[in-house]
Amino acid sequence: QVRLVQSGAEVKKPGASVKVSCKASGYTFSTYNMHWVRQAPGQGLEWMAIFNPMGILTTYAPNFQGRIIVANDTSTNTVYMELSRLTSEDTAMYYCARDNNGWSVDYWGQGSLVIVSS
Amino acid sequence: QSVLTQPASVSGSPGQSITISCSGTSSDVGGYDYVSWYQQHPGKAPKLLIYEVTNRPSGISYRFSGSRSGNTASLTISGLQADDEADYYCSSYTTTSHWVFGGGTKVTVL
Repeated sequence: QVRLVQSGAEVKKPGASVKVSCKASGYTFSTYNMHWVRQAPGQGLEWMAIFNPMGILTTYAPNFQGRIIVANDTSTNTVYMELSRLTSEDTAMYYCARDNNGWSVDYWGQGSLVIVSS
Repeated sequence: QSVLTQPASVSGSPGQSITISCSGTSSDVGGYDYVSWYQQHPGKAPKLLIYEVTNRPSGISYRFSGSRSGNTASLTISGLQADDEADYYCSSYTTTSHWVFGGGTKVTVL
């Protein structure tokens, strides 16, 4: 079965960077794009990026352009999302989510909580 | 402020039908068939209910249905049940090759 397993919670200081991983299994990794979506406490969903494991497409949301990098390791079927210059407003649950080849998500990771605090 | 506009809350009694709207523009909801809906219970990851405006994934109850008129998409939940109490989000592909979400709607079962 399809599984997306994310890395654990992180606590970071303002100005630091965080790298969240998402290990995929149960399907052919290269044939589905991956989204990153975050959700601040008590808030709605916010799209961050879409990434193609074959390197064909990477698009970042304007709100994150310049401080987000999404990359992968095809040998381990893992996608990474790195967000830099963190502020308290980046405190959120971060999800990786598989695109079903139609700009919707059929599988979600369990989420990785990132807390930014001095 | 979200690009797609949803009502903050909708409520209904068990067995009733409710409809959640998702208002966008011709650059997103009205321009592409890539509109989807998600249900999220507290502390859980979202769950796909509807994709490509009207399609239900395998395993999703027929009580959930999607539609669109112009630049507004809608999710209808029929035969409302206690477990339907959750947050609901719409999303859409956009002209700029981005993906956007609505602000979310809290559904309360009275």
